[in-house]
Amino acid sequence: GAGVSQSPSNKVTEKGKDVELRCDPISGHTALYWYRQSLGQGLEFLIYFQGNSAPDKSGLPSDRFSAERTGGSVSTLTIQRTQQEDSAVYLCASSLAGRFEAFFGQGTRLTVV
Amino acid sequence: AQSVTQLGSHVSVSEGALVLLRCNYSSSVPPYLFWYVQYPNQGLQLLLKYTSAATLVKGINGFEAEFKKSETSFHLTKPSAHMSDAAEYFCAVRGFGNEKLTFGTGTRLTIIP
Repeated sequence: GAGVSQSPSNKVTEKGKDVELRCDPISGHTALYWYRQSLGQGLEFLIYFQGNSAPDKSGLPSDRFSAERTGGSVSTLTIQRTQQEDSAVYLCASSLAGRFEAFFGQGTRLTVV
Repeated sequence: AQSVTQLGSHVSVSEGALVLLRCNYSSSVPPYLFWYVQYPNQGLQLLLKYTSAATLVKGINGFEAEFKKSETSFHLTKPSAHMSDAAEYFCAVRGFGNEKLTFGTGTRLTIIP
């Protein structure tokens, strides 16, 4: 595709439910990032995939959060047993390695009620 | 590992005045540096990037930044602020190869009419 695509754009879920957020990166991009942005806050790094290397999961806030990237392309971020503090915009970005910038999707706005 | 520090979480300038947003980086290797802008309720877009060519980098919307190795800085400037410049600005750094992109905490720019 022309850009990074995220779905759904908005998700409202009940506390305690599991949610899956999807990211389709730009074709050929080897790196993929997930970030979280709470209302009025900066970017919180969650996880980084680079090619076939083990992902950098150092930003995942708890074991309720997990992510996978299948076939080096599409990625899914899963949040289990959602809590109200998980409400935020979840941003995905992809890039080539090295000197190349990351391109961001429009994000998924998650609301836990 | 790389890191960036953005001094000033909030900056206000009058319309027509100079915009100066500060970014200092820490990197064990020559870095690649980026500035992103996020307008209200939108995703992040690239303003400009430094990739070890010219130290003065020009970006979109009249912004520019100068890479100063001796000061480990990459400050963003614009000679004359416009109301449409009101947004959140993020500085980011990346090292060679497969290093992940690391963002600063952001600076919210307000333009005073």
